[in-house]
Amino acid sequence: QVQLVESGGGVVQPGRSLRLSCVASGFTFGSYGMHWVRQAPGKGLEWVAVMWFDGSNAYYLDSVKGRFIISRDNSKNTLYLQMNSLRAEDTALYYCAKDFGYAGTHFDYWGQGALVTVSS
Amino acid sequence: EILMTQSPATLSLSPGERVALSCRASDSVISDLAWYQQKPGQPPTLLIYGASTRATGVPARFSGSGSGTEFTLTISSLQSEDFGVYFCQQYNMWPLTFGGGTKVEIK
Repeated sequence: QVQLVESGGGVVQPGRSLRLSCVASGFTFGSYGMHWVRQAPGKGLEWVAVMWFDGSNAYYLDSVKGRFIISRDNSKNTLYLQMNSLRAEDTALYYCAKDFGYAGTHFDYWGQGALVTVSS
Repeated sequence: EILMTQSPATLSLSPGERVALSCRASDSVISDLAWYQQKPGQPPTLLIYGASTRATGVPARFSGSGSGTEFTLTISSLQSEDFGVYFCQQYNMWPLTFGGGTKVEIK
C-alpha cells in the first residue's frame, strides 16, 4: 500500500532554515508528481510546491518563492523541501502528497505530516 | 490566483439526511475540481476528482457535480462516520488552491 512518511519538522527561530523529507513506498515514485501542502493550526489547506515526476519542473506558492526549494531523489524514493528564511507565518503541519498524475492535478495519497513551528 | 469559496462554513445534521456542500470558483476551472474529507488529527483523503469521479473505495453515497465555477458535493444519506471537514480544490491553474472548508457535524 502507498505510504508517505515525513520527517524533519521542529521548532526553529525566524530567519533560520529547516529541511523536510518524505520517504515514499508502495508505488513507482519516479512516475508521479509530488507536492508539499501545509495546514496552519486550526486552519485550512494551502498548497506550497510541486515537483514534476522526473524533476524537470517545479512550481511554488508565491509567498514561499525564493525561500523554499522542492527537490526529489527518485533513486531514494524521497521528496525534500528546503525551507530558508523561515517566518512565523510558515508555522504549519507540512504534508507530503502524491499527485494523481505526473504533475499538477489532485492528491490521491497524503502523509501524516511534519510540524514546523517558527518562533523565537 | 483562483479563489475557491465554500458554503456553508458549518452544517449540523442528523444521520440519514441528505447533504449538499457548495464550492464556487472565482474563474472557470472547467471540471478540474477535487473534494477531500479531513477528520480531526488525520490528513485529508480524496473523495472526488474531475468534479464527479469517485476515488477508489469511496462509498456511492458521495457524489460530485458541477462544472465551470459552481460545484456541489452531495452525501445522499449521512452516516455517523461522515463527520469532518470537507475541502474542494481546483487544479486548472497554478497555484493550486483550496476552499476554506465546510465542517459537517453529526447531531
